[in-house]
Amino acid sequence: GAVVSQHPSWVICKSGTSVKIECRSLDFQATTMFWYRQFPKQSLMLMATSNEGSKATYEQGVEKDKFLINHASLTLSTLTVTSAHPEDSSFYICSARDWTSGINEQFFGPGTRLTVL
Amino acid sequence: GQNIDQPTEMTATEGAIVQINCTYQTSGFNGLFWYQQHAGEAPTFLSYNVLDGLEEKGRFSSFLSRSKGYSYLLLKELQMKDSASYLCAVMDSNYQLIWGAGTKLIIKP
Repeated sequence: GAVVSQHPSWVICKSGTSVKIECRSLDFQATTMFWYRQFPKQSLMLMATSNEGSKATYEQGVEKDKFLINHASLTLSTLTVTSAHPEDSSFYICSARDWTSGINEQFFGPGTRLTVL
Repeated sequence: GQNIDQPTEMTATEGAIVQINCTYQTSGFNGLFWYQQHAGEAPTFLSYNVLDGLEEKGRFSSFLSRSKGYSYLLLKELQMKDSASYLCAVMDSNYQLIWGAGTKLIIKP
């Protein structure tokens, strides 16, 4: 099956700093990438959807200036958490889909655990 | 609005069978997915149903009834490693995945 990687797997940072998370599709072209956040014992919450080469579409309640998403190529999307605060501590998961394949499945990365001190 | 309902938690015994139900109300339908998620890990794909009926894949089977807005995931010969959360998700008319809150399955020896 298709493989999606995320880097880093976990990160600890100080409050006020920015953190960049990378999501890569390793063996397919990800025309669409999704960023999710998951708090402990809760379900996935979609933050934004990004199509390659265009601006991301953010879900209601998600601050686009705080969570910067860039999907500059068909294999890479980045999520930057700017001026991170302890309440941003969460499990961030990306997923990717290739529209041209005709397959509706989303392939998930392994996730990035962010802890803001 | 769009809504996916599934039980919060279920308990079953090792070696037994368990059925996890999912009901949905969405704007359009382009398929229903089941994912397994172990604690601290990302979801992994289990099954995809877009037509009515039963799809069997080893110990796991998934059923769909579009007219009833209903699906279930059937797990047979339960093993301790099956302890996880099981997420039901429906792809709507915009090809967006609408997620249920997940069912935490606890397997007891």
